[in-house]
Amino acid sequence: GEDVEQSLFLSVREGDSSVINCTYTDSSSTYLYWYKQEPGAGLQLLTYIFSNMDMKQDQRLTVLLNKKDKHLSLRIADTQTGDSAIYFCAESFLLNAGNNRKLIWGLGTSLAVNP
Amino acid sequence: DAMVIQNPRYQVTQFGKPVTLSCSQTLNHNVMYWYQQKSSQAPKLLFHYYDKDFNNEADTPDNFQSRRPNTSFCFLDIRSPGLGDAAMYLCATSRRQEPDTQYFGPGTRLTVL
Repeated sequence: GEDVEQSLFLSVREGDSSVINCTYTDSSSTYLYWYKQEPGAGLQLLTYIFSNMDMKQDQRLTVLLNKKDKHLSLRIADTQTGDSAIYFCAESFLLNAGNNRKLIWGLGTSLAVNP
Repeated sequence: DAMVIQNPRYQVTQFGKPVTLSCSQTLNHNVMYWYQQKSSQAPKLLFHYYDKDFNNEADTPDNFQSRRPNTSFCFLDIRSPGLGDAAMYLCATSRRQEPDTQYFGPGTRLTVL
């Protein structure tokens, strides 16, 4: 069945770049998402990428998509202590011919930023 | 500002005592979702509404029910909460068309005593 995998932990020093990786299985996914969750809070949409793109940049965030390998990455430039959070990768999965979809979630990568 | 609101933010209930969590949205989105999230886990979809059409996940226990009286509001009813139902409950909304980006509320933390 459909599956999204992420590494569980990443630790970086403040000012360095962080790269969070994700693999997915559903080749029909049209949109892939990155969400951020701080402790005790809801999920905040960071960015998304359409499947016919291979890169999207938004300020400090760069998303790379390798559709052939079904690999998605999120790069955070100049990582700050405020970036410490759990980052979830999700793919949009087609449920039926009526174009109903749901998100398939990875387990989340916990990013720790050390001063 | 358009947003997704959840009430209450924290809910304490007793084992077996019914509880209702509420969600409202000002985004005018067709689709509303309820997720359960336990500590250090991904959100788990319980059910969602496409307009008034209810879609239950196959593994959602019967103990969980939902109502959507209108576009703006959606409720999660837990008929007989058990200790294992203690979790964060997240409501989200999206348009029906792509991109089907989901926008989340802040969540309700449920404690079962």
